[in-house]
Amino acid sequence: QKEVEQDPGPLSVPEGAIVSLNCTYSNSAFQYFMWYRQYSRKGPELLMYTYSSGNKEDGRFTAQVDKSSKYISLFIRDSQPSDSATYLCAMSEGDYKLSFGAGTTVTVRA
Amino acid sequence: NAGVTQTPKFQVLKTGQSMTLQCAQDMNHNSMYWYRQDPGMGLRLIYYSASEGTTDKGEVPNGYNVSRLNKREFSLRLESAAPSQTSVYFCASSSTYTDTQYFGPGTRLTVL
Repeated sequence: QKEVEQDPGPLSVPEGAIVSLNCTYSNSAFQYFMWYRQYSRKGPELLMYTYSSGNKEDGRFTAQVDKSSKYISLFIRDSQPSDSATYLCAMSEGDYKLSFGAGTTVTVRA
Repeated sequence: NAGVTQTPKFQVLKTGQSMTLQCAQDMNHNSMYWYRQDPGMGLRLIYYSASEGTTDKGEVPNGYNVSRLNKREFSLRLESAAPSQTSVYFCASSSTYTDTQYFGPGTRLTVL
């Protein structure tokens, strides 16, 4: 069993829809949670960074962490074609090691 | 301010050949990392360097060596390339362990 599970999709939504992405994990020691966006043939770039449980909002993006269920989510409101990318969840105990999900590929149709 | 840069962008090797992937960062970060990304596997850590002068193995270090040349530069060497090392390689850096990791654009390596 992988330490971090993420549905690879692909996910296709119309422009303006809400995109919902999630990851589950097995390591209860994780306390730092991240979402990266990766455009085709580019490096990952950080979207959201949260510590412990709760919600964090940044513009159209909302990250949720539920440590009791070992579940994290990313919501994209009013999705745009420019949001078409692969989204990677990542998490850490606070040491050097980031554990990544395999990534979910999202296409927003104009 | 270029962030994290990697060279080369693309490389094709034959089995048994060697090569070095170069990485440099201009953000004055202490920690640097090398990952490989394979379909369905996510990003896996090969080696990391917590600070200048130190390096440690990550999740998949076999077949690789690294050098932290100075605070800016961290290279990854394949001594005898194998087809299983065909992958996209990313270098990343962060100020400390708990800070954001910033990634380079990647090197696409094919080993025939």
